[in-house]
Amino acid sequence: KNEVEQSPQNLTAQEGEFITINCSYSVGISALHWLQQHPGGGIVSLFMLSSGKKKHGRLIATINIQEKHSSLHITASHPRDSAVYICAVQTSGSRLTFGEGTQLTVNP
Amino acid sequence: NAGVTQTPKFRILKIGQSMTLQCTQDMNHNYMYWYRQDPGMGLKLIYYSVGAGITDKGEVPNGYNVSRSTTEDFPLRLELAAPSQTSVYFCASSRPGGRANEKLFFGSGTQLSVL
Repeated sequence: KNEVEQSPQNLTAQEGEFITINCSYSVGISALHWLQQHPGGGIVSLFMLSSGKKKHGRLIATINIQEKHSSLHITASHPRDSAVYICAVQTSGSRLTFGEGTQLTVNP
Repeated sequence: NAGVTQTPKFRILKIGQSMTLQCTQDMNHNYMYWYRQDPGMGLKLIYYSVGAGITDKGEVPNGYNVSRSTTEDFPLRLELAAPSQTSVYFCASSRPGGRANEKLFFGSGTQLSVL
C-alpha cells in the first residue's frame, strides 16, 4: 500500500462544476503539499498546509491531521484547470512522498 | 528571478553513455532535490542537498551521482546510462525555516530517453 493515496485517479467534469480531489496518507507528517502539473509537464506548487484550510482564488485546500486526509477543491471549474493534481506529504526533514496524481479534465 | 533553471529539456542517450543534467536556482534556497517521474507513477526522490557541500541519497539513487559545490547549482550525473533511466527528471528547491518558505519550486523538467 502506498503511503500516499489519491482519489480519484481520473476525473472528468463540465465547466462550472465543483471539484474535489482527495488525498489520504498513512504516516505522520509535518506538512502536506498540493501541486499542479500542466499538460506541458511543468509543476507548480499550489498549497503547503499543516492544519486547517487555505484558499487561493477558486482553489481551497483542507487537511484533517487526525484522520490523515486532505482535500483539494476547485470551485467554478474551467477548462484551463485541466491538469494533473499531485498530493505530497512531508515527513522527515524536507523529504516528500508523492501520490500518483489525479488527472482532471474540464470540458467546456 | 529566473527561479529554477534546468537544462537540457530533452536528451537521447545510447546505453553506456554519460551525461550531466544541470540545475541552477537564484532564490538562495538551501534545499535542492532531484526527482524522476515515470509514467503513471509518483515522483521519486533521487538525491537531495540541504546546503553547499552536503548531499544525501533519496529513494532511487542507484546509477546517479550529484554534487553541490555552490548554493545555486545542483547537477545530476548519469555515468553509464541504462534503459531503466528513461524518465522525466525534475529539479526542485525550497528554503526551510518558515511555513511560507517551504513551498517547492520546480524546474521545467528534462525528458531523457536511453536507447
